[in-house]
Amino acid sequence: AQSVSQHNHHVILSEAASLELGCNYSYGGTVNLFWYVQYPGQHLQLLLKYFSGDPLVKGIKGFEAEFIKSKFSFNLRKPSVQWSDTAEYFCAVNAPGAGSYQLTFGKGTKLSVIP
Amino acid sequence: NAGVTQTPKFRVLKTGQSMTLLCAQDMNHEYMYWYRQDPGMGLRLIHYSVGEGTTAKGEVPDGYNVSRLKKQNFLLGLESAAPSQTSVYFCASGGVFGNQPQHFGDGTRLSIL
Repeated sequence: AQSVSQHNHHVILSEAASLELGCNYSYGGTVNLFWYVQYPGQHLQLLLKYFSGDPLVKGIKGFEAEFIKSKFSFNLRKPSVQWSDTAEYFCAVNAPGAGSYQLTFGKGTKLSVIP
Repeated sequence: NAGVTQTPKFRVLKTGQSMTLLCAQDMNHEYMYWYRQDPGMGLRLIHYSVGEGTTAKGEVPDGYNVSRLKKQNFLLGLESAAPSQTSVYFCASGGVFGNQPQHFGDGTRLSIL
């Protein structure tokens, strides 16, 4: 079964700082990768996804992520964060090659942006 | 455009009581999922369904039952609630292909006293 590791539990940044949140997964075959965001008191919303093609994917609200297959990583980036980016971010993976469409989530990274 | 709707939004139960959480989706999705979210644990899959009339166990199924009698509805039941089941429960639905994202409901905050 696949697993997902998010290395940072809580990240605190000032507005305009750059953001990079780490995500590593463990599965050697074909994977689909997702980043979801959960704003305080709300449900999870899709930020971006990768399933094939260009390993650099762009999502909503200026976020992007890079899939590096050799490192089993799918790190989330944003050049300049805003206070409104304060939320919890979840990386998720599924492995259709293993016959599994179920998502496995990381434990989440809480981002606090200070005005 | 409702998407995924969960009822109720909040509930407090006493240990040993039973209840059912309802999830309804209007996107004609085949797959539906129930997760629980606990602090520092991310989302963990309880049960899921790949179509009407089917259910399967996820990562943490013990103490829960589910039913998918209609394609648009997915029910999560707690037969005898325990304090360890205090959590926020999310329902999600998705298409049949793995690269299609799941759509989440607003969650049900459940407290077991």
